[in-house]
Amino acid sequence: DTGVSQDPRHKITKRGQNVTFRCDPISEHNRLYWYRQTLGQGPEFLTYFQNEAQLEKSRLLSDRFSAERPKGSFSTLEIQRTEQGDSAMYLCASTEPGGYSYNEQFFGPGTRLTVL
Amino acid sequence: AQRVTQPEKLLSVFKGAPVELKCNYSYSGSPELFWYVQYSRQRLQLLLRHISRESIKGFTADLNKGETSFHLKKPFAQEEDSAMYYCALEAGGYQKVTFGTGTKLQVIP
Repeated sequence: DTGVSQDPRHKITKRGQNVTFRCDPISEHNRLYWYRQTLGQGPEFLTYFQNEAQLEKSRLLSDRFSAERPKGSFSTLEIQRTEQGDSAMYLCASTEPGGYSYNEQFFGPGTRLTVL
Repeated sequence: AQRVTQPEKLLSVFKGAPVELKCNYSYSGSPELFWYVQYSRQRLQLLLRHISRESIKGFTADLNKGETSFHLKKPFAQEEDSAMYYCALEAGGYQKVTFGTGTKLQVIP
């Protein structure tokens, strides 16, 4: 499968624990996005990387959230001191290099986080 | 700030009936509008974008700037159209997409 992959697919954790998710984009894609999707809602933008640079962060991304893309390839999203409100599906998407116009975002299968 | 509104959480239609999934947006500039679809147990994927003016799987969507709408239409629904549909908006050229809350389309055989 040459699409976007995410690991793990499911994560159950206790409140207060730290969790880390990984996203591997399509190999030639230099842009990578993280979204969060809660029940009954559409995906909500969290953050965006172009290569290794994190270019934008949503206000949804509190200080407990951090994302990295150290070598411009895979990315990690860490949540520290998880809260029950963090329970959601975390989606990753990537796009190929492009200019100003919109490039289709290819989504991964998501990581479902449950905080007990 | 941009916003996308999909007023219907669920739309049920009979096979062969016309389909219209509603989407309204708010944005002060000129946005790019899209429809994404998620079939059961599959990933979210792009269905169509307004700038392409194309028909995908029989679906079309026209951007109406006066009514700030981008409704998705299909003249004859098929069972395989049953899925979750999300209207989305990209503004400012930053690839930051705002999604609506989604409409579940259920096509009844």
